[in-house]
Amino acid sequence: AQKVTQAQTEISVVEKEDVTLDCVYETRDTTYYLFWYKQPPSGELVFLIRRNSFDEQNEISGRYSWNFQKSTSSFNFTITASQVVDSAVYFCALSPYSGGGADGLTFGKGTHLIIQP
Amino acid sequence: SAVISQKPSRDICQRGTSLTIQCQVDSQVTMMFWYRQQPGQSLTLIATANQGSEATYESGFVIDKFPISRPNLTFSTLTVSNMSPEDSSIYLCSVEGYGELFFGEGSRLTVL
Repeated sequence: AQKVTQAQTEISVVEKEDVTLDCVYETRDTTYYLFWYKQPPSGELVFLIRRNSFDEQNEISGRYSWNFQKSTSSFNFTITASQVVDSAVYFCALSPYSGGGADGLTFGKGTHLIIQP
Repeated sequence: SAVISQKPSRDICQRGTSLTIQCQVDSQVTMMFWYRQQPGQSLTLIATANQGSEATYESGFVIDKFPISRPNLTFSTLTVSNMSPEDSSIYLCSVEGYGELFFGEGSRLTVL
């Protein structure tokens, strides 16, 4: 069975602070995908990143960066110089690799990030 | 990117009735996924719908309660049958494409 744990239910920081959202996963699959999604108050799910299990390179996209550590089954997400617009619920998710691509996702419970001005 | 349209965007339903949610994608996709997001909760996969075959349901979800159709490569429906207030949720359709998993904007159901 697959499981994704986001231990931080809610994080509140002041604007311009850096913040890291933790994600720990469990799977018996040798090949899988990891994802991060953002859900702002408007409700839509915004795709942020997909990472293959065989690619452990960290990734940076603007103020966002991701640290994938297979040895500790973690896929943490850092926002640098946070902004009020970053306030949202962030979901980490896991999918087996089905051969044709990603399969259905197992989501963590989400971390509600509040950026105070 | 794939564009997903869901109908209805929201509805208020009476207990015991059924509602069908439609999901239309602007490109052909092999697999479509249906998720449920209960109020203040995370997303849970209901089922995977492949064109031309029966949907595959996750543990805790059954075909009698959530029948799914997948008549072609761009369209799927999810029916929520014999609704109760516990079915009040956002139901989301999802497809894979271009290395991403895209989600529709969801159908928010309130059951009275």
